[in-house]
Amino acid sequence: QKEVEQDPGPLSVPEGAIVSLNCTYSNSAFQYFMWYRQYSRKGPELLMYTYSSGNKEDGRFTAQVDKSSKYISLFIRDSQPSDSATYLCAMSAPGSNYKLTFGKGTLLTVNP
Amino acid sequence: DADVTQTPRNRITKTGKRIMLECSQTKGHDRMYWYRQDPGLGLRLIYYSFDVKDINKGEISDGYSVSRQAQAKFSLSLESAIPNQTALYFCATSDGNTEAFFGQGTRLTVV
Repeated sequence: QKEVEQDPGPLSVPEGAIVSLNCTYSNSAFQYFMWYRQYSRKGPELLMYTYSSGNKEDGRFTAQVDKSSKYISLFIRDSQPSDSATYLCAMSAPGSNYKLTFGKGTLLTVNP
Repeated sequence: DADVTQTPRNRITKTGKRIMLECSQTKGHDRMYWYRQDPGLGLRLIYYSFDVKDINKGEISDGYSVSRQAQAKFSLSLESAIPNQTALYFCATSDGNTEAFFGQGTRLTVV
Protein backbone atom coordinates (compact mmCIF):
# COMPACT_ATOMS: atom_id res chain seq x y z
CA GLN A 1 0.00 0.00 0.00
CA LYS A 2 1.37 3.40 -0.98
CA GLU A 3 1.58 5.98 1.77
CA VAL A 4 -0.72 8.38 -0.10
CA GLU A 5 -3.43 7.31 -2.50
CA GLN A 6 -5.15 9.73 -4.86
CA ASP A 7 -7.54 8.95 -7.69
CA PRO A 8 -5.80 10.29 -10.82
CA GLY A 9 -9.07 10.92 -12.63
CA PRO A 10 -9.34 12.54 -15.08
CA LEU A 11 -12.30 14.49 -13.79
CA SER A 12 -14.40 16.64 -16.13
CA VAL A 13 -17.15 18.93 -14.81
CA PRO A 14 -19.28 21.80 -16.17
CA GLU A 15 -18.57 25.35 -15.09
CA GLY A 16 -20.25 26.16 -11.80
CA ALA A 17 -20.13 22.60 -10.47
CA ILE A 18 -18.90 21.66 -7.01
CA VAL A 19 -15.75 19.58 -7.25
CA SER A 20 -14.56 17.13 -4.61
CA LEU A 21 -11.00 15.84 -4.66
CA ASN A 22 -9.78 13.29 -2.14
CA CYS A 23 -6.71 11.51 -0.81
CA THR A 24 -6.24 8.73 1.70
CA TYR A 25 -3.06 7.97 3.57
CA SER A 26 -1.63 5.27 5.75
CA ASN A 27 1.06 7.06 7.79
CA SER A 28 -0.51 8.22 11.06
CA ALA A 29 2.51 10.48 11.69
CA PHE A 30 1.40 12.91 8.99
CA GLN A 31 0.33 16.20 10.56
CA TYR A 32 0.75 18.72 7.75
CA PHE A 33 -1.62 18.45 4.80
CA MET A 34 -1.41 20.45 1.62
CA TRP A 35 -3.04 20.79 -1.75
CA TYR A 36 -0.91 21.93 -4.65
CA ARG A 37 -2.24 23.05 -8.00
CA GLN A 38 -0.22 22.43 -11.15
CA TYR A 39 -1.08 24.02 -14.45
CA SER A 40 0.15 22.41 -17.64
CA ARG A 41 3.90 22.91 -18.18
CA LYS A 42 4.26 24.64 -14.81
CA GLY A 43 5.58 23.70 -11.40
CA PRO A 44 3.15 22.95 -8.55
CA GLU A 45 1.99 25.88 -6.43
CA LEU A 46 0.59 25.69 -2.92
CA LEU A 47 -3.17 26.15 -2.86
CA MET A 48 -4.21 25.17 0.66
CA TYR A 49 -2.43 24.17 3.86
CA THR A 50 -3.94 22.56 6.95
CA TYR A 51 -2.30 21.48 10.15
CA SER A 52 -3.76 18.40 11.86
CA SER A 53 -7.53 17.92 11.65
CA GLY A 54 -10.28 20.32 10.72
CA ASN A 55 -11.45 22.53 7.94
CA LYS A 56 -9.95 25.53 6.23
CA GLU A 57 -11.70 27.82 3.80
CA ASP A 58 -10.19 30.24 1.31
CA GLY A 59 -12.65 31.80 -1.11
CA ARG A 60 -14.13 29.05 -3.27
CA PHE A 61 -11.78 26.43 -1.83
CA THR A 62 -12.27 24.34 1.31
CA ALA A 63 -9.79 21.81 2.64
CA GLN A 64 -10.88 19.16 5.12
CA VAL A 65 -8.76 16.74 7.12
CA ASP A 66 -10.17 13.73 8.95
CA LYS A 67 -7.26 12.15 10.76
CA SER A 68 -9.39 9.42 12.32
CA SER A 69 -10.20 8.15 8.83
CA LYS A 70 -6.84 9.19 7.32
CA TYR A 71 -8.73 11.07 4.65
CA ILE A 72 -8.36 14.56 3.24
CA SER A 73 -10.53 16.46 0.80
CA LEU A 74 -10.47 19.60 -1.30
CA PHE A 75 -13.78 21.15 -2.34
CA ILE A 76 -14.06 23.73 -5.09
CA ARG A 77 -17.30 25.67 -5.26
CA ASP A 78 -18.57 27.42 -8.38
CA SER A 79 -15.77 25.88 -10.43
CA GLN A 80 -14.30 27.97 -13.23
CA PRO A 81 -12.44 27.03 -16.41
CA SER A 82 -9.37 28.63 -14.84
CA ASP A 83 -9.50 25.88 -12.17
CA SER A 84 -8.58 23.34 -14.84
CA ALA A 85 -5.29 21.87 -13.61
CA THR A 86 -3.79 18.88 -11.84
CA TYR A 87 -4.39 18.90 -8.10
CA LEU A 88 -1.85 17.14 -5.91
CA CYS A 89 -2.30 16.33 -2.27
CA ALA A 90 0.87 16.35 -0.19
CA MET A 91 1.66 15.50 3.41
CA SER A 92 4.53 15.62 5.84
CA ALA A 93 5.27 14.56 9.37
CA PRO A 94 6.81 16.56 12.22
CA GLY A 95 10.55 16.18 12.29
CA SER A 96 10.72 15.23 8.62
CA ASN A 97 12.08 18.65 7.69
CA TYR A 98 9.30 19.22 5.23
CA LYS A 99 9.86 16.08 3.22
CA LEU A 100 6.65 15.95 1.27
CA THR A 101 4.90 12.76 0.23
CA PHE A 102 2.67 13.44 -2.76
CA GLY A 103 -0.38 11.76 -4.18
CA LYS A 104 -0.35 11.01 -7.89
CA GLY A 105 -2.47 14.06 -8.70
CA THR A 106 -5.97 14.41 -10.14
CA LEU A 107 -6.40 16.07 -13.53
CA LEU A 108 -9.45 18.36 -13.43
CA THR A 109 -11.08 19.97 -16.46
CA VAL A 110 -13.83 22.54 -15.99
CA ASN A 111 -15.81 23.00 -19.19
CA PRO A 112 -17.35 26.40 -20.00
CA ASP B 1 12.40 36.82 -12.46
CA ALA B 2 11.33 33.45 -11.10
CA ASP B 3 12.21 32.67 -7.49
CA VAL B 4 13.34 29.14 -8.42
CA THR B 5 15.02 28.82 -11.79
CA GLN B 6 15.82 25.55 -13.50
CA THR B 7 18.08 25.11 -16.49
CA PRO B 8 17.72 23.73 -19.06
CA ARG B 9 13.93 23.67 -19.51
CA ASN B 10 14.11 20.90 -22.06
CA ARG B 11 16.86 18.43 -22.87
CA ILE B 12 17.23 15.43 -25.11
CA THR B 13 20.25 13.24 -24.46
CA LYS B 14 21.54 9.86 -25.49
CA THR B 15 21.78 6.76 -23.34
CA GLY B 16 25.04 6.65 -21.43
CA LYS B 17 25.68 10.37 -21.49
CA ARG B 18 26.30 12.40 -18.35
CA ILE B 19 23.91 15.25 -17.84
CA MET B 20 23.51 17.95 -15.20
CA LEU B 21 20.33 19.81 -14.33
CA GLU B 22 20.80 23.06 -12.48
CA CYS B 23 18.66 24.91 -9.99
CA SER B 24 19.11 28.33 -8.45
CA GLN B 25 16.86 30.20 -6.04
CA THR B 26 16.46 33.73 -4.77
CA LYS B 27 14.15 32.82 -1.86
CA GLY B 28 16.98 32.64 0.65
CA HIS B 29 15.82 29.19 1.77
CA ASP B 30 18.17 26.64 3.25
CA ARG B 31 16.18 23.59 2.18
CA MET B 32 16.32 22.45 -1.44
CA TYR B 33 14.84 19.37 -3.09
CA TRP B 34 14.89 17.48 -6.39
CA TYR B 35 11.76 15.60 -7.49
CA ARG B 36 10.87 13.72 -10.62
CA GLN B 37 7.33 13.52 -11.97
CA ASP B 38 6.10 10.65 -14.09
CA PRO B 39 2.59 10.10 -15.47
CA GLY B 40 0.66 7.88 -13.08
CA LEU B 41 3.36 8.03 -10.41
CA GLY B 42 3.19 11.60 -9.18
CA LEU B 43 6.13 13.47 -7.66
CA ARG B 44 8.88 11.40 -6.08
CA LEU B 45 11.78 12.75 -4.04
CA ILE B 46 15.26 12.08 -5.43
CA TYR B 47 17.57 14.06 -3.10
CA TYR B 48 17.26 16.87 -0.60
CA SER B 49 19.63 19.23 1.15
CA PHE B 50 19.16 21.32 4.29
CA ASP B 51 22.35 23.32 3.90
CA VAL B 52 25.54 23.37 1.88
CA LYS B 53 27.11 20.58 3.93
CA ASP B 54 24.02 18.41 4.16
CA ILE B 55 22.90 16.01 1.40
CA ASN B 56 20.29 13.29 1.86
CA LYS B 57 18.90 10.57 -0.37
CA GLY B 58 15.22 10.49 -1.15
CA GLU B 59 13.13 7.54 -2.15
CA ILE B 60 14.57 7.12 -5.67
CA SER B 61 18.22 8.25 -5.56
CA ASP B 62 19.79 5.36 -7.51
CA GLY B 63 21.36 6.60 -10.74
CA TYR B 64 21.45 10.21 -9.56
CA SER B 65 23.86 12.43 -7.66
CA VAL B 66 23.63 16.00 -6.44
CA SER B 67 25.85 18.89 -5.52
CA ARG B 68 25.00 21.85 -3.30
CA GLN B 69 27.42 24.45 -4.53
CA ALA B 70 26.01 27.29 -2.46
CA GLN B 71 22.90 28.06 -0.46
CA ALA B 72 21.23 29.21 -3.66
CA LYS B 73 22.40 26.45 -6.01
CA PHE B 74 21.56 22.76 -6.11
CA SER B 75 22.38 20.63 -9.15
CA LEU B 76 21.27 17.13 -10.10
CA SER B 77 23.46 14.84 -12.19
CA LEU B 78 22.72 11.70 -14.12
CA GLU B 79 26.09 10.00 -14.42
CA SER B 80 25.05 7.65 -17.21
CA ALA B 81 21.57 8.43 -18.45
CA ILE B 82 19.15 5.61 -19.24
CA PRO B 83 15.75 5.78 -20.99
CA ASN B 84 13.72 5.15 -17.82
CA GLN B 85 15.11 8.41 -16.45
CA THR B 86 12.98 10.20 -19.02
CA ALA B 87 10.73 12.39 -16.86
CA LEU B 88 9.85 15.89 -15.73
CA TYR B 89 12.27 17.05 -13.04
CA PHE B 90 11.45 19.70 -10.46
CA CYS B 91 13.62 21.59 -8.05
CA ALA B 92 11.95 23.02 -4.95
CA THR B 93 12.91 25.10 -1.93
CA SER B 94 11.31 25.64 1.45
CA ASP B 95 11.94 27.41 4.71
CA GLY B 96 10.74 24.34 6.56
CA ASN B 97 7.38 25.75 7.50
CA THR B 98 4.35 25.39 5.33
CA GLU B 99 5.22 25.80 1.69
CA ALA B 100 7.57 24.45 -0.94
CA PHE B 101 8.30 26.64 -3.95
CA PHE B 102 8.85 24.79 -7.22
CA GLY B 103 10.72 25.71 -10.35
CA GLN B 104 9.19 25.45 -13.79
CA GLY B 105 10.60 22.01 -14.37
CA THR B 106 13.07 20.39 -16.76
CA ARG B 107 11.70 17.97 -19.31
CA LEU B 108 14.39 15.36 -19.88
CA THR B 109 14.24 12.77 -22.64
CA VAL B 110 16.82 9.98 -22.81
CA VAL B 111 16.94 8.24 -26.17
